[in-house]
Amino acid sequence: KNQVEQSPQSLIILEGKNCTLQCNYTVSPFSNLRWYKQDTGRGPVSLTIMTFSENTKSNGRYTATLDADTKQSSLHITASQLSDSASYICVVSLQTGANNLFFGTGTRLTVIP
Amino acid sequence: DADVTQTPRNRITKTGKRIMLECSQTKGHDRMYWYRQDPGLGLRLIYYSFDVKDINKGEISDGYSVSRQAQAKFSLSLESAIPNQTALYFCATGGAGANEKLFFGSGTQLSVL
Repeated sequence: KNQVEQSPQSLIILEGKNCTLQCNYTVSPFSNLRWYKQDTGRGPVSLTIMTFSENTKSNGRYTATLDADTKQSSLHITASQLSDSASYICVVSLQTGANNLFFGTGTRLTVIP
Repeated sequence: DADVTQTPRNRITKTGKRIMLECSQTKGHDRMYWYRQDPGLGLRLIYYSFDVKDINKGEISDGYSVSRQAQAKFSLSLESAIPNQTALYFCATGGAGANEKLFFGSGTQLSVL
């Protein structure tokens, strides 16, 4: 069964600290893995997209890693800011089929002063 | 102006009523999607359209219908709303490539009493 699991479910960190969010998936055949940021009351916004051959990709203070062998990804946030408070959603895409995106339930990150 | 605009942002309706959620996009994409988000669950696909003459059911299409009025417009209807359709609804658009980003609207919070 194609599934995407994220951990932790929620996380609270102090402003300025780093954190790492995890994503494990069983989606196959794999095409790409995406991380989205969703602010409260807003739609998800794309942070990174990684294909099978990419094992790291950065977008400012966000760095995503992918291990396609173990089917794991992480999103590392450096020097967190209050504006990083949001839900972070991992999405894995199949190679085939039109309905081919599998969404995780997200990690809710709260950054406190 | 937002790339993907959803109206209304919030809607409260009664069981049995027919309602329509509207979506328009300025990205020039052919592909448009309707998703539903419930607490504790990943986004689930309701319907998708790859061009004006193409409409496809997603994972949870029962109780919903859609209309693709133009390349830029894709509306979602609940024929007879029921309480378990209370959810946050997102419209999205994206390009045809496998690694294309999805662009989401800000969502419509629907409550069915």
